[in-house]
Amino acid sequence: QKEVEQNSGPLSVPEGAIASLNCTYSDRGSQSFFWYRQYSGKSPELIMFIYSNGDKEDGRFTAQLNKASQYVSLLIRDSQPSDSATYLCAVNINNNDMRFGAGTRLTVKP
Amino acid sequence: EAQVTQNPRYLITVTGKKLTVTCSQNMNHEYMSWYRQDPGLGLRQIYYSMNVEVTDKGDVPEGYKVSRKEKRNFPLILESPSPNQTSLYFCASSWGAAGELFFGEGSRLTVL
Repeated sequence: QKEVEQNSGPLSVPEGAIASLNCTYSDRGSQSFFWYRQYSGKSPELIMFIYSNGDKEDGRFTAQLNKASQYVSLLIRDSQPSDSATYLCAVNINNNDMRFGAGTRLTVKP
Repeated sequence: EAQVTQNPRYLITVTGKKLTVTCSQNMNHEYMSWYRQDPGLGLRQIYYSMNVEVTDKGDVPEGYKVSRKEKRNFPLILESPSPNQTSLYFCASSWGAAGELFFGEGSRLTVL
């Protein structure tokens, strides 16, 4: 079992819809969770981080964490074509290193 | 401007010819790390460093070396590159292992 798993997609949503991206992780001791966005040919950039169970909102983005289910998600409301990218889930393992999922490719169609 | 700088950005080399990819950050970060990114596999950690003179292996360290003699620099060394090391490489830095990672622009390496 991979330490961090994501559906590779592609996930396609129409402009204005909610995009839901999911991630599961295997290490129950993980404490910090991150979502990075990576445009084609570019480096990853941080969108959200979350440490506590529940929801964390930042503009059109909401990160959701459920440690009991070992599940973290990212919701993008009012999706825009500029949101089309690959979204990487990252989980801090043992406070020593960051493990990444393979990424979910999102396409927002005008 | 806060940044992580990698060089070279693009490199084509041949099997066995030693090469070094440099990485430098200007944010005074203690933590630095190297990743390789391959289609369908996401970012896999090669080596990381918690501080000067402290380095440790990540998931895929075979065929790579690193050093951390200064806080700002963390070069990645391929002593004898092989075609399976053809990949996109990212250097990243952070205040700590649990913090936001700041990535360099990436170095695309092709080994023939």
